[in-house]
Amino acid sequence: KQEVTQIPAALSVPEGENLVLNCSFTDSAIYNLQWFRQDPGKGLTSLLLIQSSQREQTSGRLNASLDKSSGRSTLYIAASQPGDSATYLCAVNNFNKFYFGSGTKLNVKP
Amino acid sequence: EPEVTQTPSHQVTQMGQEVILRCVPISNHLYFYWYRQILGQKVEFLVSFYNNEISEKSEIFDDQFSVERPDGSNFTLKIRSTKLEDSAMYFCASSEERLFSGNTIYFGEGSWLTVV
Repeated sequence: KQEVTQIPAALSVPEGENLVLNCSFTDSAIYNLQWFRQDPGKGLTSLLLIQSSQREQTSGRLNASLDKSSGRSTLYIAASQPGDSATYLCAVNNFNKFYFGSGTKLNVKP
Repeated sequence: EPEVTQTPSHQVTQMGQEVILRCVPISNHLYFYWYRQILGQKVEFLVSFYNNEISEKSEIFDDQFSVERPDGSNFTLKIRSTKLEDSAMYFCASSEERLFSGNTIYFGEGSWLTVV
C-alpha cells in the first residue's frame, strides 16, 4: 500500500525566507502528484500538479519537483509571506484516487 | 471560479443515527469522490463514483456507507448507524475526467461530522 510521508511536520519561518517542504512516497508507480493547501477548517486547494513524466512545475512563487524513481517531491516557496501560512499536503495519484501525506504546517511570521 | 459546495458545514448526531451529507459537484464534472479526515490524521479516500455507480471504494467504505446521485446535481454520502469513530471532516470532490490523466481535483470545504 502506498505510504506518503511529509517532513517537516511543522515549520516556522520569518517573512521573506525561501523554504522547502519535502514529500516521499513508497510506491513509485504513480500517475501524478499534487500539492494542496489547507487552511484551518477549510477544504483543500490544489496548488500544483506534476505528471509522472514531468520533473517540475511552477506557479508564481511556488515550484514543485518530482523524482519519481526515488519517490520524492519537494515544494519550494520563494519569498514567503504571512498569507502563505497554512498546512501543505502532498498527495500521490494511483489511477483515480489520492494517497495523502500528513502535511506540513507552515507559519510565516511577519 | 466554479466550486464544489457541501452541506451541512457541521452536523452533530447521536450515535446510532443516520446522517446524509450533501454535495453539489462542479456542473460539467463527471467523476465524484468522498474523502474523510479524522482530526489529526491524514486525508483518506472513501469512494469514487462515475456514471451513476461506484467505480472504486476503500476498505473503510463498508456496508455502513452508501453514495447516491439522486438528481442531476446532488451527490450524497449516507452513513448508517453512526459510531463515535465516524466523527471526521468529510470532503466531497469532483473532477472533469479521471485523475490519472492529469485532471485537477476540486474539493469542497467539507462537512464536519461529530458523533456523540
